[in-house]
This record gives sequence, structure tokens and C-alpha cells, in this order.
Amino acid sequence: EIVMTQSPATLSVSPGERATLSCRASQSVRTNLAWYQQKPGQAPRLLIYGAFTRATGVPARFSGSGSETEFTLTISSLQSEDFAVYYCQQYNNWPPLTFGGGTKVEIK
Amino acid sequence: EVQLVESGGGLVQPGGSLRLSCGASGLTVSSNYMTWVRQAPGKGLEWVSVIYSGGSSYYADSVKGRFTISRENSKNTIFLQMNSLRAEDTAVYYCARVAYYPSSGSFALDSWGQGTLVAVSS
Repeated sequence: EIVMTQSPATLSVSPGERATLSCRASQSVRTNLAWYQQKPGQAPRLLIYGAFTRATGVPARFSGSGSETEFTLTISSLQSEDFAVYYCQQYNNWPPLTFGGGTKVEIK
Repeated sequence: EVQLVESGGGLVQPGGSLRLSCGASGLTVSSNYMTWVRQAPGKGLEWVSVIYSGGSSYYADSVKGRFTISRENSKNTIFLQMNSLRAEDTAVYYCARVAYYPSSGSFALDSWGQGTLVAVSS
């Protein structure tokens, strides 16, 4: 099973600043990686698939990069609605699908 | 618009059973890969099971042999039969559609229900 590790666990950022979230896979997943956003009491929302393709309706301030084992989600200028928990998930050679432990982006 | 609505959660004693349902509108469950994902209180996301459009099903090791995923095409609904429940199965259970993007060969969970809470406790 491929293990996904996200860092940091918590990221404190001021509104308008850039946030950079990392996700590492225990073995290569090529670009078979997705990112999700989850707000309290809500279901997750798909942001990125294929490591860098934004899902429908996702603002351009969200961008994904990386391949193989190292991935990054960047939020270029944090808005109030972006404070949430973010999960990466691999789908290379699945099932199983595996998720990272999440990064909480909080207001500094 | 795709809508997924889970039901069937509740409080159950260890060793008991529950059957979760996920009714779909805006998509046909038999034409899609449909999956269950759970989230223990205050914890991250954990994949549970998937049923392919062709009918094959797969499970996380943590639930294999205890949980069964199925679907009823006439009701456009998928189910998760959960037997021999344990305290560690306590979680919000989400159903989701696994979308396929042929241009990139990508899969992603693009539509989610609101979740149903399963609590296993004596």
C-alpha cells in the first residue's frame, strides 16, 4: 500500500499571503494525485486531479505541481474561505485509494 | 446536478450490524465507479470500499470480510452492509462518485454526499 505523508500538519498564514502544502508518496505515483479541501462539518471538495489540473469551478489561485513522489499544492493569495483542511490522495495502481493525513490551514 | 444522499447511520453495539444507503440523482450508479470513504471523529479520510460499473468490488484491509458494498440499479442506490462492527469503525461515512478523466487517465472523487454518522459503542 502506498503511504501518503503531508506536511506541515498545521500551516498558519495571514489572509493575502501564499500557502504551500506538501505531499509525499512512499513510492512513485507518477501524476496520479488529487487534492481535496474540507471545511468543518462539510464533505471534502475536489480541487485538483492529475497533480495539476483544477476541477471545475476551482479558482485559479489554487495550483498543483509535482510528480513521482513529491507534490505541492499552492494557494497564491489566501482568502477567508480558503481556511480549511487539505488532503492529498493517490490513485496510482488502486485500489486501495490512500489519503494523506491532511494539512490544516489556519489564520495567523 | 449530481446529488448523493447517505442514510442509515446510527448508534450500534460492538458486534452489531448496520446497512448504509446512498441514493443518487444526476448520475447513474451502475455506469460509475462508486466508493465509500470514512472519517473518524477529528481524524483524516480513510477509503473503505469501491464498486466498479462492471460490478467488481474491493475493500480496505481494515473492513475486508466484514463489510459488503452493493447496488440496486432500479433505485439508483448503493449500499454498505457493515457486520461485526467495532469501536474503531466509528466515523462519518461518505459515499462518492469516482470520476474518470480520459484526457489524463485520472480518477478523482468529484461528487460527495453529506455523510452519515456511525457510532459503535456499548
